[in-house]
Amino acid sequence: SYVLTQPPSVSVAPGKAARISCGGDNIGHKSVQWYQQRPGQAPVVVIHYNNARPSGIPERFSGSNSGDTATLTITRVEAGDEADYYCQVWDSGSDHVVVFGGGTKLTVL
Amino acid sequence: QITLNESGPTLVKPTQTLTLTCTFSGFSLTTSGEGVGWIRQPPGKALEWLALIYWDDDKRYRPSLRNRLTITKDSSKNHVFFTMTNMDPVDTATYFCAHMRIRISGVFFDPWGQGTQVTVSS
Repeated sequence: SYVLTQPPSVSVAPGKAARISCGGDNIGHKSVQWYQQRPGQAPVVVIHYNNARPSGIPERFSGSNSGDTATLTITRVEAGDEADYYCQVWDSGSDHVVVFGGGTKLTVL
Repeated sequence: QITLNESGPTLVKPTQTLTLTCTFSGFSLTTSGEGVGWIRQPPGKALEWLALIYWDDDKRYRPSLRNRLTITKDSSKNHVFFTMTNMDPVDTATYFCAHMRIRISGVFFDPWGQGTQVTVSS
């Protein structure tokens, strides 16, 4: 089965850029989504189809995807960005299953 | 505006069957290109996709749990039902249903319901 690997935690100072990676075999050939989950809340998609931002998501959030790594970048990090972030793909080659990464806790110092 | 709401028991005993209902509004599962998924999250752990159902009644399941899961829909009432048999304490989690956005390149979940907490304990 397809596996997505994320670092358990990333720390960043306010105003700096945070980069969260999501590793998977040839993930560059798949469409990657990123979700933000604040404590006690349901996840919210912040990036879909690799680099598309839903309406209402700040321009500070962006995504890239190439080779074996997809990356979520948050520029000018704010305290309110502290949350868990999950990457997700749809594995069409394996019975159309959905796969989530293990999640990354973003801490704003 | 799309909204979803999960309902069902908060406590089930080991070996029992869990049945959850997702009640949604703002879209129809009779419309081509629509779908609903179920995802769970054990306390302090990661999201885990469980099942999804498309407008055409195509269904997909998490391979490791396939023999325990069933997803069905009642499009006339805007309900999606999820059952998991032979519940175990390790199945204790918050269970979410979510609207699926579907393209040729893939699917993603937006928006999500608020989730329902299910505890498995005797």
